[in-house]
Amino acid sequence: AQSVTQPDIHITVSEGASLELRCNYSYGATPYLFWYVQSPGQGLQLLLKYFSGDTLVQGIKGFEAEFKRSQSSFNLRKPSVHWSDAAEYFCAVGTWGNYQLIWGAGTKLIIKP
Amino acid sequence: DVKVTQSSRYLVKRTGEKVFLECVQDMDHENMFWYRQDPGLGLRLIYFSYDVKMKEKGDIPEGYSVSREKKERFSLILESASTNQTSMYLCASSSQREEVNNEQFFGPGTRLTVL
Repeated sequence: AQSVTQPDIHITVSEGASLELRCNYSYGATPYLFWYVQSPGQGLQLLLKYFSGDTLVQGIKGFEAEFKRSQSSFNLRKPSVHWSDAAEYFCAVGTWGNYQLIWGAGTKLIIKP
Repeated sequence: DVKVTQSSRYLVKRTGEKVFLECVQDMDHENMFWYRQDPGLGLRLIYFSYDVKMKEKGDIPEGYSVSREKKERFSLILESASTNQTSMYLCASSSQREEVNNEQFFGPGTRLTVL
């Protein structure tokens, strides 16, 4: 069965430091990969997505993610976090022919001043 | 700007009440979804719909029903609300066009408290 794992429930990072949020998936073929962000009390907003082509994708708010087929990973990165990045981040996987997305449990990002 | 709207941001109901959560999208999307979000559990799919008058059970359909009479509107119904249905409810929609690859668009969520 397909699954998505975000191994870190919480991550605390100092403002200005770099960030990497991990996402691993289980699926036989190349999936469609997404990162969404949820600010407190809000719905989810798409940060970036990967379908094919260049494995390093750029998103909004200075985020990027890299698809590594050999590691079944799609980790989210940002070189320097801002206090406004404090939010919950969700990784999701879609597959061809299936309109549903499989969701990770989310990683809550806490920013230290 | 594309939009998914939900009828209420916050809702407080009593145990046993019938509760309607409404979701409307203006993107002419074929697919619509209802999720429930609880701390540490991520998003869990309750029901989804691929077409008008069509519905499919998700992972946790017990205690819920849905209605899709028009393409743009997808309603979630709690027939008899219980305290364990206190949660954040998120509606999403997506297109069936192959080039968008299942990207979902979300509403702001409804935080439901059942007393």
